[in-house]
Amino acid sequence: AQTVTQSQPEMSVQEAETVTLSCTYDTSESDYYLFWYKQPPSRQMILVIRQEAYKQQNATENRFSVNFQKAAKSFSLKISDSQLGDAAMYFCAFSSSNTGKLIFGQGTTLQVKP
Amino acid sequence: NAGVTQTPKFQVLKTGQSMTLQCAQDMNHEYMSWYRQDPGMGLRLIHYSVGAGITDQGEVPNGYNVSRSTTEDFPLRLLSAAPSQTSVYFCASSPGTGGRRNEQYFGPGTRLTVT
Repeated sequence: AQTVTQSQPEMSVQEAETVTLSCTYDTSESDYYLFWYKQPPSRQMILVIRQEAYKQQNATENRFSVNFQKAAKSFSLKISDSQLGDAAMYFCAFSSSNTGKLIFGQGTTLQVKP
Repeated sequence: NAGVTQTPKFQVLKTGQSMTLQCAQDMNHEYMSWYRQDPGMGLRLIHYSVGAGITDQGEVPNGYNVSRSTTEDFPLRLLSAAPSQTSVYFCASSPGTGGRRNEQYFGPGTRLTVT
């Protein structure tokens, strides 16, 4: 069975600085996808970034980038130039290409200080 | 496109009552799923469906029933509500599985309290 672990329940960052959120996963599958979702106080789940396991290149979406280490089964999210609107709960998630099931980590609450 | 819609947004039930949480999507997505979110535990998969007429269990299916008679709708039924089912429930859909079809779109959630 797949598992996803986020070991940082809470993180904080100063506005305009960079922060990295950690995620590790465990799977025996070779074809899968990894995601980071943002959940602001509104409760809406917003997709931040996705990574295909077969791609060696790390995904980037504007100020958000990932460090995907397939052998180490690590998938961290880097937020550059942090903004007040980045404050939210962030979830790492794994999806099997076969089943489509999404397995979530426990979440990391990010606080952005002005 | 309305995307994924869920009703109601909030609900309070007494122990033993039954109810149905509604979920609909207008994106012609094949894959739909239900999650519950509890503090400190992330989102856990309850049931999912890969197409009309096909459903399967996720991690925490006990106490919940689903059916998928149309592509658009995927209701979640609580047959006899228990306080342990107090949670926030999310419905999600994706075009399918494999490739970018794997990307799931979430509804706004339903906060359910069972007293």
